[in-house]
Formats: sequence, structure tokens, C-alpha cells
Amino acid sequence: DQQVKQNSPSLSVQEGRISILNCDYTNSMFDYFLWYKKYPAEGPTFLISISSIKDKNEDGRFTVFLNKSAKHLSLHIVPSQPGDSAVYFCAARSSGSARQLTFGSGTQLTVLP
Amino acid sequence: NAGVTQTPKFRVLKTGQSMTLLCAQDMNHEYMYWYRQDPGMGLRLIHYSVGEGTTAKGEVPDGYNVSRLKKQNFLLGLESAAPSQTSVYFCASSYSVGSYEQYFGPGTRLTVT
Repeated sequence: DQQVKQNSPSLSVQEGRISILNCDYTNSMFDYFLWYKKYPAEGPTFLISISSIKDKNEDGRFTVFLNKSAKHLSLHIVPSQPGDSAVYFCAARSSGSARQLTFGSGTQLTVLP
Repeated sequence: NAGVTQTPKFRVLKTGQSMTLLCAQDMNHEYMYWYRQDPGMGLRLIHYSVGEGTTAKGEVPDGYNVSRLKKQNFLLGLESAAPSQTSVYFCASSYSVGSYEQYFGPGTRLTVT
């Protein structure tokens, strides 16, 4: 039973346009959410995070939105650049755990020049 | 700072063989984690450690053992490898307070034939 779901395995976007990556979760105990980016043959790297007490967090071109009632979060990248092409993982931390994260299955973003 | 390093980068094992994957971090992190990544499955937690001398099971611990004899090292062992353990293995580490961000190593690609 996947508690963190990324239902779109892949997404293609034109350079300069907005990329929207989505993530849904089922566990009401999740209180902190993170997005990671992963290039081929490398480990995931942290991108941006949001606490459940907020509904938006922005860092440069990256914005994460959290809709707790819908148990949904999204990552917006504006404007998208070819270097953003990577696999993006959504992750969540449960208030009932230590510092463990539960990851989604990832979305491959391709930004076309 | 090297961050999180993993040894080896690649390995091919025959069914029934054993091996140990080494993870080292130089950030003085208390917490360390071992994940496996399989296609369509995201990152799944195998074992983790909240400090030197302590280990705990994650989501998919069967067939693996771990040890944390030194704070900077976290070893993952496969006693009798099976084809189902063919995967990419990632080690990560994190602080024990503050941000829930985890820092990942570059991964080890293991193939069991």
C-alpha cells in the first residue's frame, strides 16, 4: 500500500514553460514534505520542503504547494530549463516516526529545448 | 567535504554469494539510512540507525543485515544474495534535530545472477 503516490511516471514540458509535478498521500500523520531531484547515476539531492503548517513555500524558480484537505502537494518549476530534466521524488515524514521518510515512485521530467 | 560516499559503485554477484556495502559520511550526522531503488517503486527503506551502535528495521529488511560500529560508517550486508536483491542501493544521512533533509550517496548498482 503506497502511502505516497506520484501517478505520473513522466512529464514533458517546453523550455520556458511551467512544470507541475504532483504527489498524493494517504497518511494523515505526515507532517513534513520534501522534494528531491535525481540525475542518472547520481544520488537524490534535496530541492525544497514544506511543513504541514504552511500551504506554500518558494525558493527561486521552485514553489511547493500543500493542500492538506485533499492530501495533495505539487511542485511548480517556472520557468523550466533543460537542466531541470531529471527524476523528481516526493517524500513525506510521519509525526509518528523518528526522521524516516516515505518516498513516492518518482516522475521523470523532460524539458525540451 | 566528501559528503556521503559509497563503496563499491558496481558489483555483480552470483546467487548465494555474500557481500558488504560500505557507506561513509563526514558531516557528523547521527542518523544513517539504507534504501533500495527499483523501477516504479521509488526508494524503500531497508534499515536505519539513529546513532553509533544502534540499528533498526525499515520497510524491506529481509535478507539484509547492518552494522554501525563507528558514527561515520554504516555497513549493509547481504549474507546469501538472491536475484530479487538486484537493485540500486543508496545510503543517506541526516542530522538528529532540525531539518528532515537527508543527504544521499551516489549509489551502488548490484546485480545478482
